[in-house]
Parts: sequence; structure tokens; C-alpha cells
Amino acid sequence: QVQLVQSGAEVKKPGSSVKVSCKASGGTFSSYAISWVRQAPGQGLEWMGGIIPIFGTANYAQKFQGRVTITADESTSTAYMELSSLRSEDTAVYYCARTIIRDGYNLEYFQHWGQGTLVTVSS
Amino acid sequence: EIVLTQSPDFQSVTPKEKVTITCRASQSIGSSLHWYQQKPDQSPKLLIKYASQSFSGVPSRFSGSGSGTDFTLTINSLEAEDAATYYCHQSSSLPLTFGQGTKVEIK
Repeated sequence: QVQLVQSGAEVKKPGSSVKVSCKASGGTFSSYAISWVRQAPGQGLEWMGGIIPIFGTANYAQKFQGRVTITADESTSTAYMELSSLRSEDTAVYYCARTIIRDGYNLEYFQHWGQGTLVTVSS
Repeated sequence: EIVLTQSPDFQSVTPKEKVTITCRASQSIGSSLHWYQQKPDQSPKLLIKYASQSFSGVPSRFSGSGSGTDFTLTINSLEAEDAATYYCHQSSSLPLTFGQGTKVEIK
């Protein structure tokens, strides 16, 4: 069955960067997109961006443009999300999600989710 | 950016009652509306795709309806295990956005 396994929790200093990984198994990695969604403590869900591995280019929410980089390695079926210039407001659980694609490039719904990675930003 | 507004924010319900959650989009999104369930300390799970299509393995008491700007998630005969926060999400245009969530508590 489909599994998305994320890397472990991180504690980072303000101003630093964090890179979270998401390894997929079950199904064909290149047939889907991978999105990253975050959830601050006690808050709702927020889409950060997504990548279609066969194209290699990512779309980002404007809020994170310039600070986030999403990449994918087809050889290892792993996607990555790197967030830079961290601040306390970036403390959140970060989820990767296998995203259904329509018409070859449109991101649709989140079919399966990783277990989440808690990133804590604190001095 | 398309804004999704859910109502209510919170609902306390007795088992076997019917629950209705609405999601209103700030502009027409056709049927590009999806619903997720998130239980405490768990990842979200897909319930309904494209407004009314149930995802594989989802109990039949969950159903969705609507199109354009107004959508509804219905839980028929609520069970204790349905205590969770429910989110709508639109894929009509980037950025993908979510509603603020509706927390359903069991009385």
C-alpha cells in the first residue's frame, strides 16, 4: 500500500534552514505530485507548494516564495522541502502528501499523507 | 486567492445524530472541492473528492454535495470515532487553499 515516510523532528535556531524528506513507497512515484502542507500548533492546514517529479519544477504559495524549495529525486522516490530564514512562526508540523494530477500538470487532491514532521524554531 | 469559509467552527453532537458542515468559496470552483478528516495527533485523511465522490474505504455515512460556491459534508448517524476536525480544500486554482476547519465533538 502507499506509504509516505517523513524524516524526524527538528529543532532549529531562528535564521537557519531546515530540510525535511518524504520517501514514498507503493505506486509509481512519477505518476503523482508531492505537496507540502504545514500546520502550526492548534491551527489549520496551509499549502506551501508542490512538485511533479517528472517535470522537476515546483509551484509555491506566494507567502513562501523565496524561502521554500521543493525538490524530488525519482531514483529514490523521495521528495524534499527546504525552508530557510526560519522564524518562530515557522514552528509547525510539516506534512508531505501524494497529490493527484489532472491534465498532466494540475494539482488536485491529497490522496495520502505522511506522518508529519515537527519543526520547532527556538533560540 | 480563493478563500474557503466553513461553518460552523465547532459542533457538539450526540451519537447517531446527523452532522452537516458547509464550505463556501469566495468564487466559483466548479466541483474542485475536497474534504478531509483529521483526528487529534494524526495526519489528515481524504474523505471526499470532487465534491461528492467518496474515497476508497471511507464509510458510507460520509457524503458530499454541492458545486460552484456552496458545498456540504454530511455525516449520517454520527459515531464516536468521527470526533475530529474536518477541512475542505479547493484545487480550482493556485494557491491551493483550505477552509479553517470544523471541529466535531461527541457529546
